Formats: sequence, structure tokens, C-alpha cells
Amino acid sequence: EAGVAQSPRYKIIEKRQSVAFWCNPISGHATLYWYQQILGQGPKLLIQFQNNGVVDDSQLPKDRFSAERLKGVDSTLKIQPAKLEDSAVYLCASSLRSGRVYEQYFGPGTRLTVT
Amino acid sequence: AQKVTQAQTEISVVEKEDVTLDCVYETRDTTYYLFWYKQPPSGELVFLIRRNSFDEQNEISGRYSWNFQKSTSSFNFTITASQVVDSAVYFCALTSGSARQLTFGSGTQLTVLP
Repeated sequence: EAGVAQSPRYKIIEKRQSVAFWCNPISGHATLYWYQQILGQGPKLLIQFQNNGVVDDSQLPKDRFSAERLKGVDSTLKIQPAKLEDSAVYLCASSLRSGRVYEQYFGPGTRLTVT
Repeated sequence: AQKVTQAQTEISVVEKEDVTLDCVYETRDTTYYLFWYKQPPSGELVFLIRRNSFDEQNEISGRYSWNFQKSTSSFNFTITASQVVDSAVYFCALTSGSARQLTFGSGTQLTVLP
């Protein structure tokens, strides 16, 4: 079974530029998550999708971050404009369904450096 | 509100030693789930275990074992006879009550020296 795919793996941009990350979840997984992991910290949830609808985006900085999940499969996360504090690893995860009992499977992440 | 504390930032052991990673959690809910994830240098978080709040039985899987104690709100993880491949950052996480999201601790960097 193929895992969660993410691209690119690394990205370096200057502040005020825009950037987009792509995620392809495990086939058949209805729930998709985007996390931000700052160096030395645990992942923090940015947004959760159930199929193509948003379940939780309470911690997404909506003035600069946006995300969509087209047709309930692939998802993109965009930052526009980027700030220095956005430097982090962005992890995508998926689970079979939404709910506490379903473990999340994580992709390798995209390491973003904002200079 | 829910919170996970991993007080050990870094641990270094020599191969074949046993090591215990501590995890203390806070939640007001009576129903909750606890998780451990491993993050090797490649960056991908790997699921290790999930326990619910009603099952306090300790669990053993090969060299891994978990000690869940509700009385002390702890869910500790022990690796027996550690190996170099165990070197990684280990995260404890919690989801409880109506919370939809996993709350992670800050992680423990484990280094196993040959």
C-alpha cells in the first residue's frame, strides 16, 4: 500500500513570496490533515478535511494560509505572503475516517525555509 | 483543554541499554486516546501505539512496551535492548472528549550510540 505522498520535499523562499505544497493521501482515506512542525516542537494541526469539506481550521492563520482538497483526494496548502516565522516542516497525514480511534498516517513532510 | 508534557528533551544511551521515555498528559475528559509516534531522521511520523482511557493494561510489542497509569496521568514508553536504528524523535500525543485534533508533546530525541 502506497503511503502519503508530499511534494516538494524542500523549499526555500524569500519573505513575502508565496509557496504551495501538495499532498496525496493514502487511497480510500476520507480524512486529511495538514500540520505545521516548528523545529524542536511537536506537530500542530492547521486544518482537517473530511472528504472535500473542512472539519477544523481553527488554528489556520487565514490571513495568509489557505488550503483546499479537490474532489476529496489531493490537497494543496498555500502560504501568501510568507513570513520568517513560517519556516517549519509541513506534514500531511490521512486517516480512514475522522475520529479518535483512527490512527493517522503521515507523509515525509515539506521543509520550508523563509529567508 | 488538553496538554502533553515530555520533560526529557534529549536522551543518549549505549546500544543494548534499556531506555524509558516519559509522557504526562492533562485532560478533563474521561474518554481519551493516547498515542506514541516515532520520527526518524527521514521526517515521516510513524504510528507506534494507541491506547484508550478505559484500558490500563500494559502492552508489549517485541522490544517495545508501554506503561499506562491513570493515577499519575502517565503513558511511558520503554525500549528494551536499544539499537542504533531506534535513534529518532519520539512523540506522545493525546485526543480527548470532543476534541477532533491530536495534541502532541514536544518530543524526546533519543540517540542510541554503538
